[in-house]
Amino acid sequence: SQTIHQWPATLVQPVGSPLSLECTVEGTSNPNLYWYRQAAGRGLQLLFYSVGIGQISSEVPQNLSASRPQDRQFILSSKKLLLSDSGFYLCAWSDGTGGNQPQHFGDGTRLSIL
Amino acid sequence: GNSVTQMEGPVTLSEEAFLTINCTYTATGYPSLFWYVQYPGEGLQLLLKATKADDKGSNKGFEATYRKETTSFHLEKGSVQVSDSAVYFCALFGAQKLVFGQGTRLTINP
Repeated sequence: SQTIHQWPATLVQPVGSPLSLECTVEGTSNPNLYWYRQAAGRGLQLLFYSVGIGQISSEVPQNLSASRPQDRQFILSSKKLLLSDSGFYLCAWSDGTGGNQPQHFGDGTRLSIL
Repeated sequence: GNSVTQMEGPVTLSEEAFLTINCTYTATGYPSLFWYVQYPGEGLQLLLKATKADDKGSNKGFEATYRKETTSFHLEKGSVQVSDSAVYFCALFGAQKLVFGQGTRLTINP
């Protein structure tokens, strides 16, 4: 069966520090991968999605970036974090073969910027 | 562009009450529609889905019918439990992206 792993579960970082959040999927190949941010009390905002290795689409201009170095690995990064980067970050995957496939989410990373 | 509008929360009900959470959408073509649930401190879990008009998705006592004529996908449950307390998200899939509503926080009191 397919599983998705996200880490770390929680992270506290000072303003201006770098960031690296990692997400890996097991049990499937060539998945579509997604990064979302959920600000407190708000809905989900799609940040990036990828349909293949090295293919990244950015939805919102910001100081975050994403990379997909391997088929089932998706990394969210920043060189210098801002206070506004605080939030709950969710990685998700879906079967890349069709648009009707649901997305499956990881347990999320709660990021607090001090 | 595609969008989803959900009933504003929070919603508070007593155990065994009837639940409706409204969801309407705007989209080109015929998107797939989903309801996701997020329990406290966790990621999202797929609750149910419908892929074409008049389809009814159901799971764990929850139901939602894809209504093309009213562009709606309202979530219903006949008798809620305390364990149903969570945030519920309506979503549509179109143009390779999942578009979410703002979420509705549901609290069930014993």
